[in-house]
Amino acid sequence: DIVMTQTPLSSPVTLGQPASISCRSSQSLVRSDGNTYLTWLQQRPGQPPRLLIYKISNRFSGVPDRFSGSGAGTDFTLKISRVEAEDVGVYYCMQGAQSPYTFGQGTKLEIK
Amino acid sequence: QLQLQESGPGLVKPSETLSLTCTVSGGSISSSSYYWGWVRQPPGKGLEWIGSIHYSGSTYPSPSLKSRVTFSVDTSKNQFSLRLSSVAAADTAVYYCGRWDWKYGSLDLWGRGTLVTVSS
Repeated sequence: DIVMTQTPLSSPVTLGQPASISCRSSQSLVRSDGNTYLTWLQQRPGQPPRLLIYKISNRFSGVPDRFSGSGAGTDFTLKISRVEAEDVGVYYCMQGAQSPYTFGQGTKLEIK
Repeated sequence: QLQLQESGPGLVKPSETLSLTCTVSGGSISSSSYYWGWVRQPPGKGLEWIGSIHYSGSTYPSPSLKSRVTFSVDTSKNQFSLRLSSVAAADTAVYYCGRWDWKYGSLDLWGRGTLVTVSS
């Protein structure tokens, strides 16, 4: 199985300040179609996960542009340019390149 | 707007079979573009992929659960289902169903989840 490793596991951030979460995969996430299947999910307290970013850097419908994804190979990053109160929750990276699809441990974003 | 809703018993005894159904509304389950997946989350922990099914009946279980998991689809009811046999306390989790779209390479729509507790 592909192992997804996130850092940090907890991220206290001041409102209006940026936040960054890293994700590293144990193998390449490139499928035969040439696409890299790295996804970022947000899970607010008491809610199901929600798709934020797909294929490294594409924002899903309705996702604010303060969220951005980047990376290549086996190293990926989710950035929030200016954290808002509604961004509190746990963020997961996930790989869809190889079954079984696997998730990072999650990074808890909280307000200082 | 397509929505998914999980349903099933909230309490299952050890060694018995957990059965959950996901009802899809606002759209058809019989689309070749999508797969229908299950993910679980033990209380206070992270997410685990269980597997997926296509409306054609093709199934893709996670190897770690393959010996105990069965997926099925009922296109007439716009539902798909999960059965997990020989459950133990470690199977206690919130179970989510969702739609997998290869346009995103991810579950793009999720149900709200249902908590299943394994206890005698």
